[in-house]
Amino acid sequence: DADVTQTPRNRITKTGKRIMLECSQTKGHDRMYWYRQDPGLGLRLIYYSFDVKDINKGEISDGYSVSRQAQAKFSLSLESAIPNQTALYFCATSAPGVSGYTFGSGTRLTVV
Amino acid sequence: AQSVTQPDIHITVSEGASLELRCNYSYGATPYLFWYVQSPGQGLQLLLKYFSGDTLVQGIKGFEAEFKRSQSSFNLRKPSVHWSDAAEYFCAVSGNDMRFGAGTRLTVKP
Repeated sequence: DADVTQTPRNRITKTGKRIMLECSQTKGHDRMYWYRQDPGLGLRLIYYSFDVKDINKGEISDGYSVSRQAQAKFSLSLESAIPNQTALYFCATSAPGVSGYTFGSGTRLTVV
Repeated sequence: AQSVTQPDIHITVSEGASLELRCNYSYGATPYLFWYVQSPGQGLQLLLKYFSGDTLVQGIKGFEAEFKRSQSSFNLRKPSVHWSDAAEYFCAVSGNDMRFGAGTRLTVKP
């Protein structure tokens, strides 16, 4: 099984719909992150969480919310999806301190 | 906040040729630097990282990177590129969180 699992892998949704992307990890790490990737822009941080009670906004949090249900689970919600939220979304986890991230395989979201 | 610039959007090299991908960072304190690779349809895989010590770091798949504080750079190199190295490469700098460059897409010619 993958260390970081994202569901769904692909999703097409309509403008105005609420959608949740889920992420779970088996690394046992406290820290989890959500990024979006757009061509030519690299990865931009949406939200991050250093433990279950700690949630922080990243560079581009507007229009998104998150929930840290457990150490291993971190979900990202779009309350009312809009077309410019079409992107590839990645979840990641890391150990405390400065260390590399382990990424999931991504969720490709299309908002029509 | 920290930031990363990758000046080259796309690079093409011939198989067997050497490779250098450029990365410049901005960070007020001692930087922690990373290179990741993303193959098509995949997530990001860590190639190597620099925290402190020797400024030349070795990574997986035959890659290495050199940290140059005076130039605020952390360039990625490989002496001989293989066709399987074709991918997108991201440089990143870590503070409280990790910030990524826009990426460099590598094409390998036969």
